[in-house]
Amino acid sequence: NAGVTQTPKFQVLKTGQSMTLQCAQDMNHEYMSWYRQDPGMGLRLIHYSVGAGITDQGEVPNGYNVSRSTTEDFPLRLLSAAPSQTSVYFCASSRRGRNTEAFFGQGTRLTVV
Amino acid sequence: AQTVTQSQPEMSVQEAETVTLSCTYDTSESDYYLFWYKQPPSRQMILVIRQEAYKQQNATENRFSVNFQKAAKSFSLKISDSQLGDAAMYFCAYRRGMYSGGGADGLTFGKGTHLIIQP
Repeated sequence: NAGVTQTPKFQVLKTGQSMTLQCAQDMNHEYMSWYRQDPGMGLRLIHYSVGAGITDQGEVPNGYNVSRSTTEDFPLRLLSAAPSQTSVYFCASSRRGRNTEAFFGQGTRLTVV
Repeated sequence: AQTVTQSQPEMSVQEAETVTLSCTYDTSESDYYLFWYKQPPSRQMILVIRQEAYKQQNATENRFSVNFQKAAKSFSLKISDSQLGDAAMYFCAYRRGMYSGGGADGLTFGKGTHLIIQP
């Protein structure tokens, strides 16, 4: 019963490098989303998806790309990392419908130096 | 756009006592949900309690209860008989409901309240 799995848990990047944060869920949830958490800021929505092939921007999308080719996976790509992207990243999924709960992964701590 | 405000960056309470965390929100929607999440040092986001805007009755989960004041757009969390394991960051969150065109577009979070439990 894995739920939402994020990899890696920790990552250090150099400015300008690219990388992909992985997110997978095994609950057959339609909705998936990515958030970033900065000190004193709470969680802010980066991108979200309502199903395979459909994505949209959240509050802070700049510098990030997403795609969703399957129901299970929703990777987040940083094309050219910047120090401002140093943060903790959370992936979440939920079922379509009323009063549904969002399930979160354990987060990825990313440091860009 | 909706906003969620938590005006208490940090709260402290004695073990076994009761504490109330404040949350206000701003929305023009009629269909929405409100949540309280707990984030312990492990970083995991844990759902504590949720409230559907249509329901007037305040939600309760064991020692956790909410005071939902829809007209005032207030959603406070009361923790009774505080325990050391309750120490964590607490986030208030809002989500639009399906009938307001939302559901998939994620949660809007407050900045959080750091709860300290004094033994």
